[in-house]
Amino acid sequence: NAGVTQTPKFQVLKTGQSMTLQCAQDMNHNSMYWYRQDPGMGLRLIYYSASEGTTDKGEVPNGYNVSRLNKREFSLRLESAAPSQTSVYFCASSEWAGTVGYTFGSGTRLTVV
Amino acid sequence: RKEVEQDPGPFNVPEGATVAFNCTYSNSASQSFFWYRQDCRKEPKLLMSVYSSGNEDGRFTAQLNRASQYISLLIRDSKLSDSATYLCVVSASGGSYIPTFGRGTSLIVHP
Repeated sequence: NAGVTQTPKFQVLKTGQSMTLQCAQDMNHNSMYWYRQDPGMGLRLIYYSASEGTTDKGEVPNGYNVSRLNKREFSLRLESAAPSQTSVYFCASSEWAGTVGYTFGSGTRLTVV
Repeated sequence: RKEVEQDPGPFNVPEGATVAFNCTYSNSASQSFFWYRQDCRKEPKLLMSVYSSGNEDGRFTAQLNRASQYISLLIRDSKLSDSATYLCVVSASGGSYIPTFGRGTSLIVHP
C-alpha cells in the first residue's frame, strides 16, 4: 500500500549540478504534480501532468523540467541547480486534475550550496 | 490580493479548548473546498472536504460561506495530537483547474 513514492528523501547539490527527482504512484491515478514548499510561502505548483502524455507549467516552472514517463511515473529535473532551488519538493497524484483528493509523497529535502 | 489567505498563527491553545480557523478566497467561481493537515516535516494529508451545507467529522466541523467567500474549520476538545499546520485548498471547478493551497495556519495544543 505504498501510495506515492519519492526518491531521494534528502539531497545536497553544488550550484550548477543537475539531478532528477523520481516519483511513482501505484493508485492508477491519471494526474500527477510537483510542488515545492518554502517557509512562509506554502505549496507552489511547479509542473503538473493532467494525464499520461501531457505536462503543463504551474506557478513556478523556471529552472525545472518534467517527464511523464508512463502513467505511474513523473520525474522532475533540475538542469543547473541554484541556491534558490533549496526547498522541500513534494510529488502528488490524484484521480483526475481538479479533483482534490491529492495523495502526497513524503517529500525530498534538497539543499543547493 | 492572494487567491487563498489564511492567518499563519500560531494558535496556541490548551487541551480541551475549541479553536476555529478561517480561510478566505478571492475567486467567486470557486467550487471545491478542502482542509488538509500537515505535521512538521511531513507531507500534507486530506483532513476533510467542505460542503455547502457544512459537514462534521467527529470533533472537526467545516463550513462554507459563499457570500463572504470564506471557509472555516472548527476543532472541539483539542488534543495534543491536533498540533499541526492546517492548509485550506480551493478549486474553481471539478474539471482541469488545479487547486490553490493556502499557506497554512499553525496550531499548537499544549497540556
